[in-house]
Amino acid sequence: DAGVTQSPTHLIKTRGQQVTLRCSPKSGHDTVSWYQQALGQGPQFIFQYYEEEERQRGNFPDRFSGHQFPNYSSELNVNALLLGDSALYLCASSYGGGAVTNEQFFGPGTRLTVL
Amino acid sequence: QKEVEQNSGPLSVPEGAIASLNCTYSDRVSQSFFWYRQYSGKSPELIMSIYSNGDKEDGRFTAQLNKASQYVSLLIRDSQPSDSATYLCAVPNQAGTALIFGKGTTLSVSS
Repeated sequence: DAGVTQSPTHLIKTRGQQVTLRCSPKSGHDTVSWYQQALGQGPQFIFQYYEEEERQRGNFPDRFSGHQFPNYSSELNVNALLLGDSALYLCASSYGGGAVTNEQFFGPGTRLTVL
Repeated sequence: QKEVEQNSGPLSVPEGAIASLNCTYSDRVSQSFFWYRQYSGKSPELIMSIYSNGDKEDGRFTAQLNKASQYVSLLIRDSQPSDSATYLCAVPNQAGTALIFGKGTTLSVSS
């Protein structure tokens, strides 16, 4: 039973570029949440996808957008990259619309470095 | 906006000792609380959840919740070097759909 998978593992981009990160949830899960974790900080909620719609969004600008596919996998897109976007991007999967009482399983993350 | 506060540490304990990790939160209505462990360069892993006042034990881990004081703690008994990691405290956001994390406490267990 595969857990949450994310790709790529590492990514280096320059300021102003665009990036797409991918996540496949754990088998049986239908909800994907994305978090950003800067060095020395706790993860910060970006947004959540359920039934192919963005259900909730944290305090992140519109440069951050996403998508969920019919197979429940998800993409996170970041446009016009800034140095401050350098972070570990975590995908968390859960079942049933994302009620937190349903355990969220985190993927291994994508380390994004913006130069 | 809910806030979660943790002492960043590092907290250093010898092998076999009890490690005590603390967390305070700002919102009195929070009903569930989570402790995640994160090894360096890895993703967070849920180790304990607690929903009601008092203690909850799972192996060497005990979570303690005091809603009146808005305080939750994690005790690790018989600490092992493999427990060396950052421990993140988290509470649900207002909608109850995402987690608000503290900055984490780094624990170092020396052999």
